[in-house]
Amino acid sequence: GQSLEQPSEVTAVEGAIVQINCTYQTSGFYGLSWYQQHDGGAPTFLSYNGLDGLEETGRFSSFLSRSDSYGYLLLQELQMKDSASYFCAGYTGGFKTIFGAGTRLFVKA
Amino acid sequence: DGGITQSPKYLFRKEGQNVTLSCEQNLNHDAMYWYRQDPGQGLRLIYYSQIVNDFQKGDIAEGYSVSREKKESFPLTVTSAQKNPTAFYLCASSIGTGPGNTIYFGEGSWLTVV
Repeated sequence: GQSLEQPSEVTAVEGAIVQINCTYQTSGFYGLSWYQQHDGGAPTFLSYNGLDGLEETGRFSSFLSRSDSYGYLLLQELQMKDSASYFCAGYTGGFKTIFGAGTRLFVKA
Repeated sequence: DGGITQSPKYLFRKEGQNVTLSCEQNLNHDAMYWYRQDPGQGLRLIYYSQIVNDFQKGDIAEGYSVSREKKESFPLTVTSAQKNPTAFYLCASSIGTGPGNTIYFGEGSWLTVV
């Protein structure tokens, strides 16, 4: 089957760096996306990796290694407002995007 | 402003009733989706539509129905056949269907069975 695995929770201190990992098991993922969702709100797009390597967008960076079926989201200079759930998502072809179960990030002062 | 509007935000359903969740987008997107989210879990695809008058079942379509009569509208009906409908429902859209297409979400609808 097709699935994406993420840690359920991560806790970090304000100002620190945190990495959220995502591993996927499928024969045909075409790239990995990341979404952020605050409690009770809509998920919003953060980044997309179509090729191997690192993509940087401000404080957020995302990495993909297709040979390892692995990616991660890196958040730097953590702020309290970064406390949210983060989902990795993979496009499987056939017009389907599959989401991981999400990682809840707690940022402490 | 462009975006996706879902209504109602909160909905209570009695056992055996059908309810319809509205989703309207003014982004001129061809593709639209419905996802279900249970507490502490990821998003599961219910139905998706690539173009008007066409839609496909997702991973958990049983007990749900949709229509796509207009490009901007993609309502979801939760039927009495859905045995555990209490969840957070998210409507979404995207320009295209290939990898890398950003999915834009509405603010969601909370459905509770009473």
